[in-house]
Amino acid sequence: GDSVTQMEGPVTLSEEAFLTINCTYTATGYPSLFWYVQYPGEGLQLLLKATKADDKGSNKGFEATYRKETTSFHLEKGSVQVSDSAVYFCALINTGTASKLTFGTGTRLQVTL
Amino acid sequence: NAGVMQNPRHLVRRRGQEARLRCSPMKGHSHVYWYRQLPEEGLKFMVYLQKENIIDESGMPKERFSAEFPKEGPSILRIQQVVRGDSAAYFCASSPRPASSTDTQYFGPGTRLTVL
Repeated sequence: GDSVTQMEGPVTLSEEAFLTINCTYTATGYPSLFWYVQYPGEGLQLLLKATKADDKGSNKGFEATYRKETTSFHLEKGSVQVSDSAVYFCALINTGTASKLTFGTGTRLQVTL
Repeated sequence: NAGVMQNPRHLVRRRGQEARLRCSPMKGHSHVYWYRQLPEEGLKFMVYLQKENIIDESGMPKERFSAEFPKEGPSILRIQQVVRGDSAAYFCASSPRPASSTDTQYFGPGTRLTVL
């Protein structure tokens, strides 16, 4: 079945540091890939997505590129802020099992001054 | 336009009691999804409903759990005879059409169920 693997957290960075959160996936067919963010006490918000190989999703300074050859969708940001502290989830939706998202376990990011 | 609403936000039950979780989708959305997030884990799909129909319940435990999305009113996730292992955050999401790469699921704030 489909699965998503994320790097273990927590990730602790100083403000303005570079962020990478690794995400790899296993899926049949041609999944679409997503990053969701969960701020403390809130639900998930879609951060960015990519629907086909080599697509780059971007939003709020975050970027991720759909790499089919390495089955990866790593999240990056050049300069993190304290307000980026949250849990980040990588997810996929598969055209073969449409409608349900398959999530990774989440990576907690803590940004300090 | 109000987002997906869930209530209650926090629910405490004793073992053996029933838990009812409610989800009101965004206006104009007729597709609802329920996910469960166990402590320190990612979200796991439970069930996908369209108005009055269960489309996919492959992630729902066969016993004690049920879900409905009536023609009028919110979607309800019902857990009978709760056990400690049911303690989790339950998230509801909705979409205007079947979720896909183009039709995003919008998530509610979740209901945090604690079973004593």
